[in-house]
Formats: sequence, structure tokens, C-alpha cells
Amino acid sequence: SQQGEEDPQALSIQEGENATMNCSYKTSINNLQWYRQNSGRGLVHLILIRSNEREKHSGRLRVTLDTSKKSSSLLITASRAADTASYFCATHGSSNTGKLIFGQGTTLQVKP
Amino acid sequence: DVKVTQSSRYLVKRTGEKVFLECVQDMDHENMFWYRQDPGLGLRLIYFSYDVKMKEKGDIPEGYSVSREKKERFSLILESASTNQTSMYLCASSGDRQYQETQYFGPGTRLLVL
Repeated sequence: SQQGEEDPQALSIQEGENATMNCSYKTSINNLQWYRQNSGRGLVHLILIRSNEREKHSGRLRVTLDTSKKSSSLLITASRAADTASYFCATHGSSNTGKLIFGQGTTLQVKP
Repeated sequence: DVKVTQSSRYLVKRTGEKVFLECVQDMDHENMFWYRQDPGLGLRLIYFSYDVKMKEKGDIPEGYSVSREKKERFSLILESASTNQTSMYLCASSGDRQYQETQYFGPGTRLLVL
């Protein structure tokens, strides 16, 4: 079963607006990661937040983590048409194998 | 920059054929992974390996096998391709599994089985 569940499944905004995507997970984690996938391509790692961190920034990206609620959010500020992609959260399972468990993803469309 | 390459971007095969998907990484990573991605189902782990000649089943290993003869190369084998194996296949690699580092993905292989 999927560990991470993203919400919403799809999001459409105008260029310049902010986009917020949420992720919920079920079990305890060491870290949570966000990935981006352009249509028909591989995934690209965006940001990793550890379980002892509450917020992390990288350029126009802001990630928060609430371990008490088992949830995370990804905020993209001042969106651009080039941000159009699918975004996935991923967590490691309980075993120490390096396996990542991905959510279903949020498809973001940024209209110019 | 980490580079993960996959042997083909697009592949068309016939039912019953044996199919080899190759993945190569250039960062001396211990861990390598094969996923398939289908609409509505997200990414599902097929097999992974954390060392040469080591392999572990993922969530959906049926109908697949893998080979890791060299550290940089991880091959996915479809012993007898079936139409339900039509999918996007993604390879990934990562460093020390103890620290659960990020995974680096290849560009993907879109496989069509007729």
C-alpha cells in the first residue's frame, strides 16, 4: 500500500500564484522527500526534510513537516509555467533498506 | 552530477519475448532500484539491490527478474513479456542505505508489449 498520499490530485493555477501540495503518510519516518516529474521523464529530487526538522527552504520551494499529524506540505511560490509537472512525496519504509515509498502524486498545471 | 542512464527511451516488444532493460549509474552508488509507473497506481517497486549480486524483491516482483553483476549496472528482465507489463519503467540509484539518501532517477523506458 502507498505510504504517502498527496492532495490534491490535480491543481491548476495562474503563473505568479503560489501552489500548495499536501502529503500524508502512515508510519514513522526518518525523512520525507519531494520529487518532481516532467511529463514522460524520470523523477528529479527536490528537497529532503528530516523527521527532526519542521520547515525547510530551497529557492522558491518551502516544505513543512508535522510528524504529529504525519503530514507534509510543499509550497511553490511565484509559480512559473515551467513548474508544470507532477510532484510526489516519498518516505522510507520502516526497514533499513533504502526503499522509498511514493505517493500517487499531484499534477500541477501553471497557466501562462 | 549523478547520472543514471537507461538503455532505451521507448521499446516495443511482442508477447512472450524476453526483454532486457539496462540501467547504469556513474556515482558508485550501492543501491539500485527498478520501479514501474502506471496511471492511477503511482510508482511501484519491482526489485532492488544494495550490493553486487544481491537482490531483494519489491512490491511487485512477479514476472520480473534482475541481475547485478557489476556495481554500476542493474538489469531488469521480463522473462516472457505480457501485455500487462506495458508500462513506464524507471531505474534509480542511491548511496548509503543506512542514511536513506535521495534517489537519482534515469529518464525512464516506456515499454509497449503487443
